[in-house]
Amino acid sequence: GEDVEQSLFLSVREGDSSVINCTYTDSSSTYLYWYKQEPGAGLQLLTYIFSNMDMKQDQRLTVLLNKKDKHLSLRIADTQTGDSAIYFCAESGGSYIPTFGRGTSLIVHP
Amino acid sequence: DADVTQTPRNRITKTGKRIMLECSQTKGHDRMYWYRQDPGLGLRLIYYSFDVKDINKGEISDGYSVSRQAQAKFSLSLESAIPNQTALYFCATSDSSGANEQFFGPGTRLTVL
Repeated sequence: GEDVEQSLFLSVREGDSSVINCTYTDSSSTYLYWYKQEPGAGLQLLTYIFSNMDMKQDQRLTVLLNKKDKHLSLRIADTQTGDSAIYFCAESGGSYIPTFGRGTSLIVHP
Repeated sequence: DADVTQTPRNRITKTGKRIMLECSQTKGHDRMYWYRQDPGLGLRLIYYSFDVKDINKGEISDGYSVSRQAQAKFSLSLESAIPNQTALYFCATSDSSGANEQFFGPGTRLTVL
């Protein structure tokens, strides 16, 4: 079946850029998503990218998609302590059922 | 008011008890999902429904059942709870149009002793 892989932890200094990476196996992926989960809360959609796009930028967030390598990344510029959370990569293809990665815990320290 | 609500938010129960978790949404979405989250395992799909009369098993449906009573309501039942069903449970909704992005409830923390 489809698989989505991402590293479990990332630690950055406040003010630096964070880059969270994700790889997926489903070649029929139509949409790829980034969700954020803050402590004690549900997941919240941050952004998504359609599979025919290479890049999408939204304020401090930049999503890069390399469809050939099935690689997705989320860059957070000027990372703040409020960005500390778990970030989930997800993809959905023809079935419209998303497959989620295990989540990357982003730790931002002063 | 929250668009996707879950009740209860926390529940402690004993092995063998029947438990029902409720989910309601005001977003008017046709699709609803139940996930469980375990540390280090991410989200795993239990059941999903694309319409009131549509019920589909997900990755880990054994030991669970669901009911879609109306477009706005999707409940998850554990007929006979066991300790390894201790987890955080999330309900989510999505619209059949657009990018199928999901909207999550706040979660129910279930502990089975």
